[in-house]
Amino acid sequence: TQLLEQSPQFLSIQEGENLTVYCNSSSVFSSLQWYRQEPGEGPVLLVTVVTGGEVKKLKRLTFQFGDARKDSSLHITAAQPGDTGLYLCAGEETSYDKVIFGPGTSLSVIP
Amino acid sequence: ETGVTQSPTHLIKTRGQQVTLRCSSQSGHNTVSWYQQALGQGPQFIFQYYREEENGRGNFPPRFSGLQFPNYSSELNVNALELDDSALYLCASSLWLAPTGELFFGEGSRLTVL
Repeated sequence: TQLLEQSPQFLSIQEGENLTVYCNSSSVFSSLQWYRQEPGEGPVLLVTVVTGGEVKKLKRLTFQFGDARKDSSLHITAAQPGDTGLYLCAGEETSYDKVIFGPGTSLSVIP
Repeated sequence: ETGVTQSPTHLIKTRGQQVTLRCSSQSGHNTVSWYQQALGQGPQFIFQYYREEENGRGNFPPRFSGLQFPNYSSELNVNALELDDSALYLCASSLWLAPTGELFFGEGSRLTVL
């Protein structure tokens, strides 16, 4: 059974601080995505990583896919209040498989 | 905006009733997936539809059923509602045979069962 775990579950930081959230699994994933979800809205895709060891940057966000394609991390530099939201990792074990989600990390950035 | 629209946005039902939720997928997408998201949790996969047929199902009972129409829009039906069915129901569209499984979500339908 596929299972994605995320840590920490909750994170509250001051504006300007850096943070890292983690996504882990015992399964190998063919691809992994990160989404951000704001209250009352659906998740919005941030990035997809496919290759083991891959690093992608999106402005102040840096995403890394583990070498073994079992884990991923999201690092935010100089967090801003607009970064507040639920960060979800999601993946599929094989191409064209269903996408499963982790439980999310709820981030609150305090001005 | 993703171009995925869901209706209704909010609804209240009582136990034992039935509900139908609707979704219009993004232009060019031919696959629809439905997820249930309880408060404070990640989305849980219900099922996926492609070419009007169910293609993959999560751990949900048969009283959760769906349809996909020729224009790729979709419905989620839940019979015999239970209190635990209260959740945000998310529809996501995607392209079948895309190399990676990116999903494009609507804003969801918030169901409350009393």
